[in-house]
Amino acid sequence: EDQVTQSPEALRLQEGESSSLNCSYTVSGLRGLFWYRQDPGKGPEFLFTLYSAGEEKEKERLKATLTKKESFLHITAPKPEDSATYLCAVRSSWGKLQFGAGTQVVVTP
Amino acid sequence: EAGVVQSPRYKIIEKKQPVAFWCNPISGHNTLYWYLQNLGQGPELLIRYENEEAVDDSQLPKDRFSAERLKGVDSTLKIQPAELGDSAVYLCASSFLAGGQVGELFFGEGSRLTVL
Repeated sequence: EDQVTQSPEALRLQEGESSSLNCSYTVSGLRGLFWYRQDPGKGPEFLFTLYSAGEEKEKERLKATLTKKESFLHITAPKPEDSATYLCAVRSSWGKLQFGAGTQVVVTP
Repeated sequence: EAGVVQSPRYKIIEKKQPVAFWCNPISGHNTLYWYLQNLGQGPELLIRYENEEAVDDSQLPKDRFSAERLKGVDSTLKIQPAELGDSAVYLCASSFLAGGQVGELFFGEGSRLTVL
């Protein structure tokens, strides 16, 4: 059975304090690992797709990396507007998208 | 480009009442998903459509939940009768399937259901 585990559950950062979020996964035939951002009361917003180990993607202060067992979302010099819940999801060879429970990030000024 | 549109945004009903949610996907997207999201959890798939066909409904509680996708565009998710445990956010998402590869999912803002 596909599993996605995200850690930590919650993260409180000072503005400018860089950190990383972890997404560990087990999946039968990885067909993509996705990162989403979700603001309160909103649907998840797509950030990145990673397909193979060693791949990296960047967007503003966010950088996602992928290994054979986990992915990291690095937040460099975060700002208060980066506060959100970050969701990781994996797509298996069956086509199903399995989400983790998310990491809630709060960035204080 | 318009995003995924869902309605209603909020619904409060008493247990045993019926409720329905509507979703209009992004134009041109042939794959549509309904997810359920409980507080503090990630979305869980209820049903996935490719065009008009439900290709994965294994997690849909078929005794009380039903869904349809008319003409491969809009979709409706119905619960009858609703139970207290159905209180959650119901998310609709769409994507484009080509050559067996599904692109990223685009989500609507969700419909928050409260069952009293």
